[in-house]
Amino acid sequence: EADIYQTPRYLVIGTGKKITLECSQTMGHDKMYWYQQDPGMELHLIHYSYGVNSTEKGDLSSESTVSRIRTEHFPLTLESARPSHTSQYLCASSAGQANSPLHFGNGTRLTVT
Amino acid sequence: AQKITQTQPGMFVQEKEAVTLDCTYDTSDQSYGLFWYKQPSSGEMIFLIYQGSYDEQNATEGRYSLNFQKARKSANLVISASQLGDSAMYFCAMMGYGGSQGNLIFGKGTKLSVKP
Repeated sequence: EADIYQTPRYLVIGTGKKITLECSQTMGHDKMYWYQQDPGMELHLIHYSYGVNSTEKGDLSSESTVSRIRTEHFPLTLESARPSHTSQYLCASSAGQANSPLHFGNGTRLTVT
Repeated sequence: AQKITQTQPGMFVQEKEAVTLDCTYDTSDQSYGLFWYKQPSSGEMIFLIYQGSYDEQNATEGRYSLNFQKARKSANLVISASQLGDSAMYFCAMMGYGGSQGNLIFGKGTKLSVKP
């Protein structure tokens, strides 16, 4: 019952390329998030948004940027990919109530060569 | 500052037995929520169970229950009757509803392996 979609699922790209990771949700959630996760490690919040035209940086410093022009869409962009950006990127959304869990997409596994 | 601590990097359990995964937390918020997620090797994050700080009863969802001890700031996950499909990473997470940002922060996770 995945209502939050991430594309691509896997991406291998060379250093210096510009990339955009797509994230869309069909649940009408106002809150959306991007987490970065290295294999077998914890998730780190890199960006979040509480609604259209609202974006904030998370706890982990990231060279990526995000935009929120539409409620359902929260893309993440890397202007110039580097090997240090190799990681899994997980997008999530939430209805925003106190007991609302985050719903996660399947993630994008990025490898920068 | 908020913090989640999971002290068990890896755990083994025999199929059909129960297992407890430990989680302690630290927060200055009076109101907060605790979540557990499962992450199989395929990478997706699956929500398992939620406990609110003001909930008087421990949360249960099927084979999952949360042993919430507020005074000790612990929120351990108990999985009963383990199945092979339970083998995965398990993450404890917390969201504060007071002075903190209200975003979900995660512990480092526990890798559970269920033996047949």
